[in-house]
Amino acid sequence: NAGVTQTPKFQVLKTGQSMTLQCAQDMNHNSMYWYRQDPGMGLRLIYYSASEGTTDKGEVPNGYNVSRLNKREFSLRLESAAPSQTSVYFCASTAPGRNTEAFFGQGTRLTVV
Amino acid sequence: AQKITQTQPGMFVQEKEAVTLDCTYDTSDPSYGLFWYKQPSSGEMIFLIYQGSYDQQNATEGRYSLNFQKARKSANLVISASQLGDSAMYFCAMREGRAGGTSYGKLTFGQGTILTVHP
Repeated sequence: NAGVTQTPKFQVLKTGQSMTLQCAQDMNHNSMYWYRQDPGMGLRLIYYSASEGTTDKGEVPNGYNVSRLNKREFSLRLESAAPSQTSVYFCASTAPGRNTEAFFGQGTRLTVV
Repeated sequence: AQKITQTQPGMFVQEKEAVTLDCTYDTSDPSYGLFWYKQPSSGEMIFLIYQGSYDQQNATEGRYSLNFQKARKSANLVISASQLGDSAMYFCAMREGRAGGTSYGKLTFGQGTILTVHP
């Protein structure tokens, strides 16, 4: 079972370049999330989508945009990358319910130079 | 305001001993869920255990148990009989909200605790 698939796994960008991180899940989950992980900061929520057709800002949305393309896919776009966006990005999904755990992708290590 | 607080940046434990990782949370919602995840050096996120705000008993999953003290708003993870493979980063997380609310499903994480198990 694929679960949550993120692409790419690694990326180096120059300041000002744009890119889209792709995420797809095959578990028929309603909710999807994008987090960034920085040393000492834990996982911080960038955006989430409670269901198809809805998106909401998380804790650190500035500099990012998202698209919930369909129930399976949730992409994260950096329009003009900055060195402060150097991080490890995780996509996750959850089934409906308060007690359902999140399933995570393998992460994308992004470096902006 | 920080919703999930893990005050121990790093913890050390001897193999075969028990260790407690602390987690406190802040919410005014009566309906919430608490989760613990493990992140080994390879980077993947592994779900360990769940505790619901209405659960009467502390959750247990094998060597993992959750010491849930609702009035104190704490949800500490207890790992019994530590193994070398338990060395990893551990995250506490919370989901607030109730079915139908727009915030339902939003999952917030703490800063994490790095656990090192010594042989």
